[in-house]
Amino acid sequence: EVQLVESGGGLVKPGGSLRLSCAASGFAFSAYTMNWVRQVPGQGLEWVSSISGSGGSKYYTDSVQGRFTISRDNAKTSLYLQMNSLRGEDTGLYYCARDLGGATNLWGQGTLVTVS
Amino acid sequence: DIQMTQSPSSVSASVGDRVTITCRASQDVGSWLAWFQQKPGKAPELLIFAASSLQSGVPSRFSGSGSGTDFTLTISSLQPEDFATYFCQQANSFPWTFGQGTKVEIK
Repeated sequence: EVQLVESGGGLVKPGGSLRLSCAASGFAFSAYTMNWVRQVPGQGLEWVSSISGSGGSKYYTDSVQGRFTISRDNAKTSLYLQMNSLRGEDTGLYYCARDLGGATNLWGQGTLVTVS
Repeated sequence: DIQMTQSPSSVSASVGDRVTITCRASQDVGSWLAWFQQKPGKAPELLIFAASSLQSGVPSRFSGSGSGTDFTLTISSLQPEDFATYFCQQANSFPWTFGQGTKVEIK
């Protein structure tokens, strides 16, 4: 089955760290750019970060640049987001999403991060 | 950053109605525009990519049009399962940005 399953969310104090994981299955993981997108429940969507299939290119939204690090392990078909120096405004549901030329056509169910 | 502005923010409609949602970009995004549907408690689902290409498995009552700065999502005949929130998103340049959403509600 083609799917993405996130894990690693939780409650953390401001200034703390979390590492999110996303396990991919059912498709050629290394061929796809992967993304993290977050959403405050009941609100809009915010793109957080992208990583190319090889892992050689990485992009971040300004508000997380220098605090978050995206990475992937193609052998383990997994995507990661290391989040340091967390702030209240980082609270939200974090989705892992597969890219299709700029449109994300496969999403996980999300993992909730609460900074408080 | 490119700002994406959707209108209306909400719309009340009946089953069978034609519904049109617009999305305006603050600068030219070419055809790098996607539309998503999101239902409560669920992840977004891709409906349209490249402004007008229908994602596999999406009913043909959904269509997208536009290029540059002005885009439209049309639902030709609203079905009960279409009551949801719709988002546009530009992928012309990082950071990718989303519209604020349009909630389609039952009239």
